[in-house]
Amino acid sequence: AQSVTQLDSQVPVFEEAPVELRCNYSSSVSVYLFWYVQYPNQGLQLLLKYLSGSTLVKGINGFEAEFNKSQTSFHLRKPSVHISDTAEYFCAVSYSGGSNYKLTFGKGTLLTVNP
Amino acid sequence: EPEVTQTPSHQVTQMGQEVILRCVPISNHLYFYWYRQILGQKVEFLVSFYNNEISEKSEIFDDQFSVERPDGSNFTLKIRSTKLEDSAMYFCASSKGQGATEAFFGQGTRLTVV
Repeated sequence: AQSVTQLDSQVPVFEEAPVELRCNYSSSVSVYLFWYVQYPNQGLQLLLKYLSGSTLVKGINGFEAEFNKSQTSFHLRKPSVHISDTAEYFCAVSYSGGSNYKLTFGKGTLLTVNP
Repeated sequence: EPEVTQTPSHQVTQMGQEVILRCVPISNHLYFYWYRQILGQKVEFLVSFYNNEISEKSEIFDDQFSVERPDGSNFTLKIRSTKLEDSAMYFCASSKGQGATEAFFGQGTRLTVV
């Protein structure tokens, strides 16, 4: 069975500081990995995804994530955050075998960017 | 840009009542999903739907729940005899294919059972 662990429930940072949101997964099969963002009172928006190939994935809004198979991690990074990045970030996994590739989500990390 | 649309954005219902949450997936998508997020908890998969039938469902999706695609555009989630613990944000999603295809999510319907 798959599971996703987001190690930090809340991450406060100052504007223009770098940030890393951690995500680890467990799965006995090959997986696809995703990061979604949820702004206040909005739905889930895809930030980036890893399907195959290069382990460094670049997404929207200057975010990137690195797939590390040996550490079963997919940490999200941004070198300099803005106030507008304040949101909840969800790591998700789907496995590459199976019928419909449902997403299994982590509990989310609330990123709060302070001035 | 095409998007998944959910209505209503917020629904309040009395315990024991039936509710129908509505979704209009992206028009050329073939796979449809419902997820829910209880306040403060993770987003959980409920059900997936393809070719007019349920293709996968979670243990949460019991006989209280049903899904339907009544016409070519809508995708609905019905909850019979709602309970307090059904209060959650319900997200509809759709995708063109399975696997590597990204799922597009709607804005969600916040269901409050009182």
